[in-house]
Amino acid sequence: GESVGLHLPTLSVQEGDNSIINCAYSNSASDYFIWYKQESGKGPQFIIDIRSNMDKRQGQRVTVLLNKTVKHLSLQIAATQPGDSAVYFCAEKRGGGADGLTFGKGTHLIIQP
Amino acid sequence: DAGVTQSPTHLIKTRGQQVTLRCSPKSGHDTVSWYQQALGQGPQFIFQYYEEEERQRGNFPDRFSGHQFPNYSSELNVNALLLGDSALYLCASSLGDLRTEAFFGQGTRLTVV
Repeated sequence: GESVGLHLPTLSVQEGDNSIINCAYSNSASDYFIWYKQESGKGPQFIIDIRSNMDKRQGQRVTVLLNKTVKHLSLQIAATQPGDSAVYFCAEKRGGGADGLTFGKGTHLIIQP
Repeated sequence: DAGVTQSPTHLIKTRGQQVTLRCSPKSGHDTVSWYQQALGQGPQFIFQYYEEEERQRGNFPDRFSGHQFPNYSSELNVNALLLGDSALYLCASSLGDLRTEAFFGQGTRLTVV
């Protein structure tokens, strides 16, 4: 099975509320994690990344939390807006070398008006 | 500053044919990675090119090959197309090691009939 996965395939939130998208990974050797947003018909768009020597990183309206003890990653989006509707992927990069990113299946975030 | 550009945007091929997809990386980037994204799935790593050589490869058959040119642009070639090769093919560029922000293009939608 895949080492990167998401707990929920679809997440529906009210506009203005905060969203939390979760991700589990199984390879403790992974040292770099990225969240991507993909809108219909477009390529993945970088949101935020975090390295394994950190447990939290904040961007504009987004926060990524990394819990290495339970191999869990989450993306928090503050004050969700209609433009946040998309599929969100977490991705990991394993170990050294030039490994590509390993993506999970994605979570579809739906914003209710 | 142009981002990652891919061509063509859409392509229809017949089973058994060969196809070439093209990618121009973001200005300043020297590393190109290719991904295959089936409908409803996360992207799957095909291979990565750096300094005109394939540096790492995912779990894809030899029918998938690539090339990187001195100007860092890249091509993905797929021979003996199968119906299962129908997917969105994404190119991502980065600077050096992929533990830096990777930018994706819009992708090429390949349909094999």
